[in-house]
Amino acid sequence: NAGVTQTPKFQVLKTGQSMTLQCAQDMNHNSMYWYRQDPGMGLRLIYYSASEGTTDKGEVPNGYNVSRLNKREFSLRLESAAPSQTSVYFCASWLAGVRETQYFGPGTRLLVL
Amino acid sequence: KQEVTQIPAALSVPEGENLVLNCSFTDSAIYNLQWFRQDPGKGLTSLLLIQSSQREQTSGRLNASLDKSSGRSTLYIAASQPGDSATYLCAVLFSGGYNKLIFGAGTRLAVHP
Repeated sequence: NAGVTQTPKFQVLKTGQSMTLQCAQDMNHNSMYWYRQDPGMGLRLIYYSASEGTTDKGEVPNGYNVSRLNKREFSLRLESAAPSQTSVYFCASWLAGVRETQYFGPGTRLLVL
Repeated sequence: KQEVTQIPAALSVPEGENLVLNCSFTDSAIYNLQWFRQDPGKGLTSLLLIQSSQREQTSGRLNASLDKSSGRSTLYIAASQPGDSATYLCAVLFSGGYNKLIFGAGTRLAVHP
């Protein structure tokens, strides 16, 4: 049981390049989330997927697209990276129940030059 | 706008001190509130979750309280240890916001021997 996994761990891009951040969870959770964390700020929601086949915008969706490939996987794509997208990206999944908490992956550090 | 604020932004204390971290939120209509720990370069670990109907939760040396009417939560750490050094994040699930956590910017704690 690996929990929430993310790839890659670290990436350097040049302005204008594209890339996809991958996230997978093996806990059979319905909901999945993408956040970004910038220095001195809390995590901000980019996109989320309440269930397989659905996606919705969060607080800071501009410049990103997402795909909920199946129940396990939720990817985040940067079509044309900008320096403002330099950040740490976290994926999370949601277990609804008595203890309703999100489980977080280890993060992807992205540097856009 | 639903916001979460944490004070102080950083805290440095000698080992053995009892300390209090503060979290305030702008809307009393919350579903639950969580405290997370984040170690440098790592993901988030859930420490305590308080449902809106609860006043406090305890886990070992940690105690979190919730006062919805005043929009405040505190995380009390007893007998602090160097291993407690980390960033502590407060996150609120507001009612009506579908499973979307709103995070504070965190308190960076350093406990020195």
